[in-house]
Amino acid sequence: QSALTQPASVSASPGQSITFSCTGTSSDIGDHDFVSWYQQHPEKAPKLLIYDVTKWPAGLSSRFSGSKSGNTASLTISGLQPEDEADYYCASYTHSATMVFGGGTRLTVL
Amino acid sequence: VQLVESGGGLVQPGGSLRLSCEGSGFTFTDSYMNWIRQGPGKGPEWISYISSGGHTTFYADSVKGRFTISRDNAKKSLYLLMTSLAVGDTGVYYCARDQYGGYKFDSWGQGTPVVVSA
Repeated sequence: QSALTQPASVSASPGQSITFSCTGTSSDIGDHDFVSWYQQHPEKAPKLLIYDVTKWPAGLSSRFSGSKSGNTASLTISGLQPEDEADYYCASYTHSATMVFGGGTRLTVL
Repeated sequence: VQLVESGGGLVQPGGSLRLSCEGSGFTFTDSYMNWIRQGPGKGPEWISYISSGGHTTFYADSVKGRFTISRDNAKKSLYLLMTSLAVGDTGVYYCARDQYGGYKFDSWGQGTPVVVSA
């Protein structure tokens, strides 16, 4: 159950688009489409942004989109807003019927 | 949907603690439930799952054999019994609902802090 690999930090300006990567293995991301993304603001619980690679929970902004290629999943945020500054975590079901989170990427909106 | 955890606190290494999570605003008996923790300055770590009927459970390797997840659907409550606690178990413990399966955590509680220290 090794953590998925995410870059530690990224930064971008308001209005830009940014893409986060999440790299796993053929035992997790590469094995199925149960990949999720979460946003976490300081002192708050994580919030589900994307599930099953590309799907949005009801009521969530379409500025967030997901994709996957092989063992790597990606989250794209378009039209960055100041409130998007947060930590972002990917997560994946694994072949052993457990799940694993990524180490997280901190987004700074300049 | 509301999830409210309780039971966290300060415990010595080797000690035990039982966390509770009460659900409301949704059909608790239909939901898969999980415990997820987050150590200081770290990302979330999934630690345990329980099926809607309570018959199937899974654990992360880091807690297997030490932690036990259970639920009481009549009380709309989820539990986590933690034994042989170590300093590395320190963190905020969240319960989270997985409404559709496949570990999609659509609702989280506010978390309860657990500190393991001498």
